[in-house]
Amino acid sequence: TQLLEQSPQFLSIQEGENLTVYCNSSSVFSSLQWYRQEPGEGPVLLVTVVTGGEVKKLKRLTFQFGDARKDSSLHITAAQPGDTGLYLCAGLINAGGTSYGKLTFGQGTILTVHP
Amino acid sequence: EAEVAQSPRYKITEKSQAVAFWCDPISGHATLYWYRQILGQGPELLVQFQDESVVDDSQLPKDRFSAERLKGVDSTLKIQPAELGDSAMYLCASSPGRGGEFFGPGTRLTVL
Repeated sequence: TQLLEQSPQFLSIQEGENLTVYCNSSSVFSSLQWYRQEPGEGPVLLVTVVTGGEVKKLKRLTFQFGDARKDSSLHITAAQPGDTGLYLCAGLINAGGTSYGKLTFGQGTILTVHP
Repeated sequence: EAEVAQSPRYKITEKSQAVAFWCDPISGHATLYWYRQILGQGPELLVQFQDESVVDDSQLPKDRFSAERLKGVDSTLKIQPAELGDSAMYLCASSPGRGGEFFGPGTRLTVL
């Protein structure tokens, strides 16, 4: 059973189009991260959202954390070929009484932006 | 800018051989993770350290995999013996605490 359901799994669009990737769970997370990964490299952290309802913007990328801290979305405006990659969401659940947590990843969304 | 270091970047080995991967986290990061990632999928946690202690190794195949972080700094992941199904990217990540893990470049393992 996947703790974090990420959709869609594949996305192929033309340059200039908008897109949204979703990350859903029945669990409450203390924070949620979005990563972008290129082939042969490790994931690169894009953003961390912590507060329910929080919205963060990073240039053409908009990240939203659900009010109940169970879901998140990534919206890209006017996609460019350079946005091509694997996008991963990851939810953090803190172990009770500790300063660390367990990070669980979604299955990932492979985005291809055609020129 | 501080980065997580991993070596080697690539490793090709034959099945039944032993392999070892090394990770040096960002200085001061108490939490260290080893993940395994199949191409095109999300990483799966193998083991998590808090300082030198293992806090989660529930998904680590302990009959053939072992991990240590003796001084609470760098870490080694070992596979002995390697099997064909172990071919994957092995990622190390570190974190200062709540949220935001920083990944190394990974080690691409191919078992022949």
